[in-house]
Amino acid sequence: NAGVTQTPKFQVLKTGQSMTLQCAQDMNHNSMYWYRQDPGMGLRLIYYSASEGTTDKGEVPNGYNVSRLNKREFSLRLESAAPSQTSVYFCASSYLSDSPLHFGNGTRLTVT
Amino acid sequence: SQQGEEDPQALSIQEGENATMNCSYKTSINNLQWYRQNSGRGLVHLILIRSNEREKHSGRLRVTLDTSKKSSSLLITASRAADTASYFCATVAGGGTYKYIFGTGTRLKVLA
Repeated sequence: NAGVTQTPKFQVLKTGQSMTLQCAQDMNHNSMYWYRQDPGMGLRLIYYSASEGTTDKGEVPNGYNVSRLNKREFSLRLESAAPSQTSVYFCASSYLSDSPLHFGNGTRLTVT
Repeated sequence: SQQGEEDPQALSIQEGENATMNCSYKTSINNLQWYRQNSGRGLVHLILIRSNEREKHSGRLRVTLDTSKKSSSLLITASRAADTASYFCATVAGGGTYKYIFGTGTRLKVLA
């Protein structure tokens, strides 16, 4: 049982480049989330998807887009990367809106 | 902005001692959850306490919740070196908001 799988694990981008972070869960969870984690800041919600076909902005959505491809997959896209987007990105899923979150192991992104 | 704030930011104890971490938050909640994060990994859910509960136990973990003071504490008894990690509280407002607000975490180091 894989849980939440994120790819890639590491990525280095130049300013202005684009990329998509992939996330898939095999727990039949309804809701999926993207967080970023910066030193001393805890986790901040970028976007979430309450259910298949819906997405909503979180606390820090600027510079990002998301796609809920199906119930299993939720991708995060950076259209034009900026150094301020250097961070560790975590995908998570939950069965309900207040259930425990299940996290992937993160993508470490550096933008130079 | 961050809702949860953990205290202390860092804690170093000897194996076998108890570790206590505190979390304060600002607004009303549906439940409060505690997570552990080992270095370089995703967060792992430890325990959930609902707003109408005052105390909950799970193995060596004891969580208390005081909604009048908007605070929670996590006690780890008889700590082990394997408990070395960062611990985060997350508050969930409920009402279908899907927004889990994380604190900045407590870094616990258990010395063997």
